[in-house]
Amino acid sequence: QQQVKQSPQSLIVQKGGISIINCAYENTAFDYFPWYQQFPGKGPALLIAIRPDVSEKKEGRFTISFNKSAKQFSLHIMDSQPGDSATYFCAANSGGSNYKLTFGKGTLLTVNP
Amino acid sequence: NAGVTQTPKFRVLKTGQSMTLLCAQDMNHEYMYWYRQDPGMGLRLIHYSVGEGTTAKGEVPDGYNVSRLKKQNFLLGLESAAPSQTSVYFCASSYVAQRGASSSYEQYFGPGTRLTVT
Repeated sequence: QQQVKQSPQSLIVQKGGISIINCAYENTAFDYFPWYQQFPGKGPALLIAIRPDVSEKKEGRFTISFNKSAKQFSLHIMDSQPGDSATYFCAANSGGSNYKLTFGKGTLLTVNP
Repeated sequence: NAGVTQTPKFRVLKTGQSMTLLCAQDMNHEYMYWYRQDPGMGLRLIHYSVGEGTTAKGEVPDGYNVSRLKKQNFLLGLESAAPSQTSVYFCASSYVAQRGASSSYEQYFGPGTRLTVT
């Protein structure tokens, strides 16, 4: 059973546009929601993360929006650049003695020049 | 500080052969993980370890074994390779950062091993 559902599977955006990737979760015990970025041929790397005590977190052009009641969170990439072209994974963790991340299936983002 | 390293980077096996993938981290992290990545399937956890000498099953453990004899190393073994194990394998390590009653942690990934089983 997939506990974190990610959409869309792929996304094409023009340079300068806004990229939006959405994730929904089922487990209300989740309390840590990171986004990972993966370039071709590389391992994933942490991009930005949020806790449910805030509704938004911004780091540069990257913003996470969090809706606790809807059990949804999303990644917004403002002024998208060709260098942002990568696969993005959302994830969630329930803390405590759970040391695992539950990942979404990923979104392949292509930013055209 | 090399972070997380994986060897080998590429490998081709014939069905039925065995091999071991090595993961090493120099960040003194307690937790280590093995994932496989397949198109459209995301990252699926194979096995993980919460400390030296401990291992636990993840989401897709069948056909794999692991060992964590030293804190810095986490080995993934394929006893009898099958074409269904053709994949890209990633190792990761992490620590837990306590923040009040909550905790958060970042997983650091290695560069991956591309395995093809024919």
